[in-house]
Amino acid sequence: NAGVTQTPKFQVLKTGQSMTLQCAQDMNHEYMSWYRQDPGMGLRLIHYSVGAGITDQGEVPNGYNVSRSTTEDFPLRLLSAAPSQTSVYFCASSYSNRGYYGYTFGSGTRLTVV
Amino acid sequence: ELKVEQNPLFLSMQEGKNYTIYCNYSTTSDRLYWYRQDPGKSLESLFVLLSNGAVKQEGRLMASLDTKARLSTLHITAAVHDLSATYFCAVDMYTGNQFYFGTGTSLTVIP
Repeated sequence: NAGVTQTPKFQVLKTGQSMTLQCAQDMNHEYMSWYRQDPGMGLRLIHYSVGAGITDQGEVPNGYNVSRSTTEDFPLRLLSAAPSQTSVYFCASSYSNRGYYGYTFGSGTRLTVV
Repeated sequence: ELKVEQNPLFLSMQEGKNYTIYCNYSTTSDRLYWYRQDPGKSLESLFVLLSNGAVKQEGRLMASLDTKARLSTLHITAAVHDLSATYFCAVDMYTGNQFYFGTGTSLTVIP
């Protein structure tokens, strides 16, 4: 059971480039979300999804797009990378959107925008 | 917007000592989560507290929740070096779907 798989683990982008961070889970979780982690700021919610075809914005959605065409996958797209998007990105999933069982996190993607 | 505050932000403690990390949150919620993160690693779920007065214990860690005071505590008993990590609390809104993290407490246990 792989849990939550994120790829890539590391990425360097130039300002203005676009890319997609991949997230897949094999636990049949309905709820998936993306967070970014910056020093001294904890984790902040970017976007989330409560099921296939349903997405919504979190605290810091600007500059990011998501879609959820299947239960398993929840990719995060950076439209035009900026240095302010340098961060560590975590994908998380849960059986229910109120986290009765807690959330399972992926191993993270460390992104640097130069 | 829900705000979650942890203190202290940094904690250095000697092996064998006890200490408590505090997590305050700004609006009504009935569930709180504690996570551990080792440097360069992902987050590991420690405790899920689902009601007022909930108390859970695992080894040298014990977490409690007081929803009336909007306060959760993570108590460390007789600390050992293996507990060195960053600990996060997180709260979700009654409306669901939004999950807010504290800024984390970086714990270092010194031999």
